[in-house]
Amino acid sequence: DVLMTQTPVSLPVSLGGQVSISCRSSQSLVHSDGNTYLHWYLQKPGQSPQLLIYRVSNRFSGVPDRFSGSGSGTDFTLKISRVEPEDLGVYYCLQSTHFPPTFGGGTKLELK
Amino acid sequence: QVTLKESGPGMLQPSQTLSLTCTFSGTSLSTSNMGLSWLRQPSGKGLEWLASIWNNDNYYNPSLRSRLTISKETSKNQVLLKFTSMEPADTATYYCAWRARGTSWFAYWGQGTLVTVSS
Repeated sequence: DVLMTQTPVSLPVSLGGQVSISCRSSQSLVHSDGNTYLHWYLQKPGQSPQLLIYRVSNRFSGVPDRFSGSGSGTDFTLKISRVEPEDLGVYYCLQSTHFPPTFGGGTKLELK
Repeated sequence: QVTLKESGPGMLQPSQTLSLTCTFSGTSLSTSNMGLSWLRQPSGKGLEWLASIWNNDNYYNPSLRSRLTISKETSKNQVLLKFTSMEPADTATYYCAWRARGTSWFAYWGQGTLVTVSS
């Protein structure tokens, strides 16, 4: 299985600040069709995961432009600018290029 | 808008078989434009994909393949999961999730159902 490694595990932030979360894969996530299937989710406390970004950099419906994704190959980043209280929770990356799909271990965004 | 809701027994004993139901609305398995998946998350831990169903094709996590069966009841808008030989280590919140045809990401998730395996 493809191992997804997220750093940091915990990320203290001040409201209004900017943060970056890293996700690295043990294999290239470039599919034979040329696309890269790396996605980002936020799981707020007591809730199910919600899709933020699909295929590296595409914001899902209703996701504010404070969230942006970038990266290629094995190295990916989620940036959150102007952090708001509703952004707090655990962020997960997911790869679906290789079977089976696998998630990163999560990054907990919390207030300083 | 796609909505999903999981239901299950809440608690079961070791060695028993878990039966879960995902009831969804806002879409239909008969239109072949979507797939449904089951995932799980032990308390305080990460996410694990278990199984998916697309049209008449089923896919399973190889590490759990021998214990899982996914099926559908199209007329009821339901997807079912059976998980045999449950152990305490299988205690987790189980989610169903929806993805559109031609995509490989889980766009919508249910609220999850907690399953506790204990004697």
